[in-house]
Amino acid sequence: EAGVAQSPRYKIIEKRQSVAFWCNPISGHATLYWYQQILGQGPKLLIQFQNNGVVDDSQLPKDRFSAERLKGVDSTLKIQPAKLEDSAVYLCASSPRGKGASVGSYEQYFGPGTRLTVT
Amino acid sequence: QKEVEQNSGPLSVPEGAIASLNCTYSDRVSQSFFWYRQYSGKSPELIMSIYSNGDKEDGRFTAQLNKASQYVSLLIRDSQPSDSATYLCNLRTGGYQKVTFGTGTKLQVIP
Repeated sequence: EAGVAQSPRYKIIEKRQSVAFWCNPISGHATLYWYQQILGQGPKLLIQFQNNGVVDDSQLPKDRFSAERLKGVDSTLKIQPAKLEDSAVYLCASSPRGKGASVGSYEQYFGPGTRLTVT
Repeated sequence: QKEVEQNSGPLSVPEGAIASLNCTYSDRVSQSFFWYRQYSGKSPELIMSIYSNGDKEDGRFTAQLNKASQYVSLLIRDSQPSDSATYLCNLRTGGYQKVTFGTGTKLQVIP
């Protein structure tokens, strides 16, 4: 079974530029997550999708970040314009099922991440 | 009070010893709990999940949950140098909708 795919793996941009990240979850997984992980910290949830609907985007800086999950499969996360403090690893994860399912269905499987450096 | 608290460490244990990692949480309606391991420069990977009070064992790993005291712990028996990593505590609350990670505890197993 193929894992969670992310691209690009690394990206360097200047502040005020825009950037987009792509994620393809494990086939059949209903829930998709985007996290921001700053060095030395735990992952911070940016947005959670269940199929193609948003479950939680309370920590997404909506003035500069946007995300979509068309057709309930792959997803893109965009930052426009980028700031220096956006330098981090952006992780995508997926879980098998959605709300109301057993707890095991919420185990998350992570992609390799995208390391973003904003200069 | 942070939603999820972990001692950042590093926690140093000798090879073969038991490593004990702890996590406390503030939201009493937290429903399910997960431990992830993250090697330096890598993504988190799932170790165990637990949702009922008590112990759950999987190989050298034991997860312990005490909802009354609002803590969850991970014990690693016979610690190996390959266990050296950061261990992340993860909770789900609110009908499984809210997801929160702790900051992680760095474990160092000394040969």
